[in-house]
Amino acid sequence: DAGVTQSPTHLIKTRGQQVTLRCSPKSGHDTVSWYQQALGQGPQFIFQYYEEEERQRGNFPDRFSGHQFPNYSSELNVNALLLGDSALYLCASSSALISGTGSSYNSPLHFGNGTRLTVT
Amino acid sequence: ELKVEQNPLFLSMQEGKNYTIYCNYSTTSDRLYWYRQDPGKSLESLFVLLSNGAVKQEGRLMASLDTKARLSTLHITAAVHDLSATYFCAVTRGSEKLVFGKGTKLTVNP
Repeated sequence: DAGVTQSPTHLIKTRGQQVTLRCSPKSGHDTVSWYQQALGQGPQFIFQYYEEEERQRGNFPDRFSGHQFPNYSSELNVNALLLGDSALYLCASSSALISGTGSSYNSPLHFGNGTRLTVT
Repeated sequence: ELKVEQNPLFLSMQEGKNYTIYCNYSTTSDRLYWYRQDPGKSLESLFVLLSNGAVKQEGRLMASLDTKARLSTLHITAAVHDLSATYFCAVTRGSEKLVFGKGTKLTVNP
């Protein structure tokens, strides 16, 4: 059973360029979340996709955009790269669930190995 | 807004010693996670705590949750070098995003 897979593993880009990162969720999962982890920091939430729509968004500029495909895989796009975008980008998948009381929640996140982006 | 604070941020300890990492969060949440991250690697889930008084143990690590104090602890017993890593706590509420602390970098010295 394949877990969360991300590609590429490493990427070097120049300021001003655009980048696309890819993620395939764990089998059976329908929700994909993206996190940015700068060196020495905790992961910061970028956005979450469910049913091909952005369901939640963190405090990231519009340069960060995403997409989810019908097979639940997802892409993260970053335009006009800045030096500060250098980080480990983590994709996490989960399932959207309903509790016994009718409230919605996500199953525990499974993280991929990440894409290390370096902007020079 | 949900915020998470961990302390200490850096912890250097000798093998065989015990220590505790603390995680405080700002508002009501319904799930708290502890993750481990090795350098250059992704996040490995250690524990998920759901209710007040929950305690979970795996090997030399034990996690507990006090929802009234909005506090979780990760206790390390008789540390060994293999436990050297960065430990993160993270909390969430319903289907909201998972919010992480800054992490505690643990170094276990022989």
